Amino acid sequence: GENVEQHPSTLSVQEGDSAVIKCTYSDSASNYFPWYKQELGKGPQLIIDIRSNVGEKKDQRIAVTLNKTAKHFSLHITETQPEDSAVYFCAAKGTQGGSEKLVFGKGTKLTVNP
Amino acid sequence: EAQVTQNPRYLITVTGKKLTVTCSQNMNHEYMSWYRQDPGLGLRQIYYSMNVEVTDKGDVPEGYKVSRKEKRNFPLILESPSPNQTSLYFCASSSFPPLRGDISTDTQYFGPGTRLTVL
Repeated sequence: GENVEQHPSTLSVQEGDSAVIKCTYSDSASNYFPWYKQELGKGPQLIIDIRSNVGEKKDQRIAVTLNKTAKHFSLHITETQPEDSAVYFCAAKGTQGGSEKLVFGKGTKLTVNP
Repeated sequence: EAQVTQNPRYLITVTGKKLTVTCSQNMNHEYMSWYRQDPGLGLRQIYYSMNVEVTDKGDVPEGYKVSRKEKRNFPLILESPSPNQTSLYFCASSSFPPLRGDISTDTQYFGPGTRLTVL
């Protein structure tokens, strides 16, 4: 089955700097890679996703890149703001028992210091 | 408003006392899932359901039961809770399996979470 590794587990940046979170996956058949943001006391919310037929996707200050050959994908946040502080999860859609499922990384706690 | 609701949001109970955490979604999603979140371990899937009366084990199903009698509801049942089930629980739903070519149907929507403490 799919296995997703996420690094780093914690990340601290100064406001205005960029933040990069990286994930690797094991199942070459995985074709969907979402990123979720979890704020304190809330459930994870989708912030951006990418499919395997696209190498990069951008939405304002956030972007995701995908390298299918190396089986890794990354989240890039530019011009970070204190409200970007949260836990971020990557995920990959793999297979389990013949059905599809999302497999999550262990999360990255991002702190943006004012 | 499209949403996933969970109840209760917080629960403190004692070992062995049966409890149910309810989950409901109003998006007519086929797929629903339960996760537990523990520090350093991320989100681990407990059980999932592809549709009414179709449920299957996730990665950490021991000590849990689920049922899917209606499309909108997917309760999580702990028949005899133990302290190692103290955790933060999330219900999620999506129109899984996705319609081919429709990216939006891959999105999983999460509930607000239920913080369970078993003494």
